[in-house]
Amino acid sequence: LAKTTQPISMDSYEGQEVNITCSHNNIATNDYITWYQQFPSQGPRFIIQGYKTKVTNEVASLFIPADRKSSTLSLPRVSLSDTAVYYCLVGFVTGRRALTFGSGTRLQVQP
Amino acid sequence: GAVVSQHPSRVICKSGTSVKIECRSLDFQATTMFWYRQFPKQSLMLMATSNEGSKATYEQGVEKDKFLINHASLTLSTLTVTSAHPEDSSFYICSARDHGQGGTYEQYFGPGTRLTVT
Repeated sequence: LAKTTQPISMDSYEGQEVNITCSHNNIATNDYITWYQQFPSQGPRFIIQGYKTKVTNEVASLFIPADRKSSTLSLPRVSLSDTAVYYCLVGFVTGRRALTFGSGTRLQVQP
Repeated sequence: GAVVSQHPSRVICKSGTSVKIECRSLDFQATTMFWYRQFPKQSLMLMATSNEGSKATYEQGVEKDKFLINHASLTLSTLTVTSAHPEDSSFYICSARDHGQGGTYEQYFGPGTRLTVT
């Protein structure tokens, strides 16, 4: 299973763009990159998933370079409600193995 | 998106008793469900993989006789914490994979169950 490395914590202010980078040097060919958000005492919530290049949805963008050894989650114009822990997960999503969580990045958004 | 529910959302039990936590996939069939445990300020740790109609697969270090998992149908998996001790107090989160058949195998998470053993 590909191991992921993320910054332990990040601070930002409301209205700013936040970029969280995740390293996954031993990502396998069939692995996808998935980002989840978790608030205290809640289950993780799916944010975005991608395989290569760029993926964008209504809440975030995911940038994946050609070598796929890292990825960057971009949150545009964060608000206080974006304060949460963000997890980068790498795995074969069409398989039967569970996604494995790393340590995550604790994002604190201040007014 | 697909919804996974858990019941109860929180439970307090006395040391030595057993507690059952239910995990349901509400609008899709899940041949595979996963159980995670999360201690305060820590990440989610996979405990076991539950496969419909067969025995669960436990991660290293997780006692299968203490954490009983039953996946009797495509929409329900249960985790029973037997002879609970205070150190079992934690946040238990289940997750389910879509059945497939043209759908994806995206992993959806339940809201979690807070277990406190006194």
